[in-house]
Amino acid sequence: QQPVQSPQAVILREGEDAVINCSSSKALYSVHWYRQKHGEAPVFLMILLKGGEQKGHEKISASFNEKKQQSSLYLTASQLSYSGTYFCGTGWGNFNKFYFGSGTKLNVKP
Amino acid sequence: DGGITQSPKYLFRKEGQNVTLSCEQNLNHDAMYWYRQDPGQGLRLIYYSQIVNDFQKGDIAEGYSVSREKKESFPLTVTSAQKNPTAFYLCASSIQSNQPQHFGDGTRLSIL
Repeated sequence: QQPVQSPQAVILREGEDAVINCSSSKALYSVHWYRQKHGEAPVFLMILLKGGEQKGHEKISASFNEKKQQSSLYLTASQLSYSGTYFCGTGWGNFNKFYFGSGTKLNVKP
Repeated sequence: DGGITQSPKYLFRKEGQNVTLSCEQNLNHDAMYWYRQDPGQGLRLIYYSQIVNDFQKGDIAEGYSVSREKKESFPLTVTSAQKNPTAFYLCASSIQSNQPQHFGDGTRLSIL
C-alpha cells in the first residue's frame, strides 16, 4: 500500500533539474510532498488534491495525474539547499491511514 | 510560537523496561501521528489519532501503546514487547486527517 518512488537516488550539479516520481496501485485522492535533511525532521513542501491545480513553491513544483495514479515533483535550477531525502505520502481508508513513500535521496553538488 | 515538542531528544532503554516518549503540540490540531524511522529508511506509521480519546493502529503497532486524553498530548510508550526499538521516533500533527503534517524534532531511542 506504500506509494512507490523513483528514482531511489539522484546526484545533481547546482543549476541542474530533477524529477521525482511517486506512483500508487490504489486511487490517489491527494499527495503530500516532504523534504527531510539528514538528522532532522521532515518538512512539508506541498499538497496536491484530486482535481486541483499544479502547485508551486519557489523553484519546486509538482503535478498530480489522477488517471495514472501518480505525482511528480520538479526541482528546477537546483541549489545546494535542495539536498535531502524527498518523500511523497498519501492517506487511504476510512480513517485516512497515512503512508509515506520509500524516499528519494537528492544530492546537489557544487 | 506554535509547534510540536518532543522529549527527550535521546533515550536509552534497558532490556525489559518500558519507556514513554512525550509529544506535545500547541497548534490546536486534531490529528496526531507517531512514526518510526530506521537508518536510511522511510517513515512507518505506528499509531495515529484523529481526535481526542480515539486512536488507530498503524502498520507497526505491535510493542507500542499510546493515549490521547488531551488534544495537545499524544505520548508513545515503547514496551518491553518491542524487541528491536532502536530507531528515530517522529511525532507529527495536522489540523485534520490528510492535511499537511508538522513534525517535532524527534527522539532517538537506543538499547543499553
